Amino acid sequence: AQSVTQLDSQVPVFEEAPVELRCNYSSSVSVYLFWYVQYPNQGLQLLLKYLSGSTLVKSINGFEAEFNKSQTSFHLRKPSVHISDTAEYFCAVSGNNNDMRFGAGTRLTVKP
Amino acid sequence: DGGITQSPKYLFRKEGQNVTLSCEQNLNHDAMYWYRQDPGQGLRLIYYSQIVNDFQKGDIAEGYSVSREKKESFPLTVTSAQKNPTAFYLCASSMGGVGNYGYTFGSGTRLTVV
Repeated sequence: AQSVTQLDSQVPVFEEAPVELRCNYSSSVSVYLFWYVQYPNQGLQLLLKYLSGSTLVKSINGFEAEFNKSQTSFHLRKPSVHISDTAEYFCAVSGNNNDMRFGAGTRLTVKP
Repeated sequence: DGGITQSPKYLFRKEGQNVTLSCEQNLNHDAMYWYRQDPGQGLRLIYYSQIVNDFQKGDIAEGYSVSREKKESFPLTVTSAQKNPTAFYLCASSMGGVGNYGYTFGSGTRLTVV
């Protein structure tokens, strides 16, 4: 079975600063990796995903994540954050059994 | 537009009552899921269904029940046996292999025991 650890429960940053949200996973099989974003009182929205191929994947709003198999990590980064990026971010992992496991979430707060 | 509709958005339950949360999708997805979200605990799987008339327990199924009579619908009943039902409930669906497509989520139902 797969599992996910998000290393930071809260990350406060100032606007226009870079940010990294850390995610480590464990699995005995090949994995698919996802980042989801959740705004208050809403469902989760898919931000980006790694299925295969290039280890660096990007979203349309400037986030990127890199799959690192040797370190079993899939950290999410953005070079310059905006106030509107304030939300909770969830890392998730899925294997061949269609079972998706979520991390506990990281609350990103962007301050002016 | 295709998507998942959860209703109601807010629900209040008295002690000892059963309540049913609705989840409807028009995405033609085969698989549907129910998750419970509590602060600091991420999402925990309650039940899932990969085909009509079939469903499996997730990690925290006790005190919950589901049905899957139609492909589009996957209602969740929170029974009186669930001792701590106050939480945010999320329904999701996927097109077959979740590894390739990920999940589409509804906007959630917040259940509060009064």
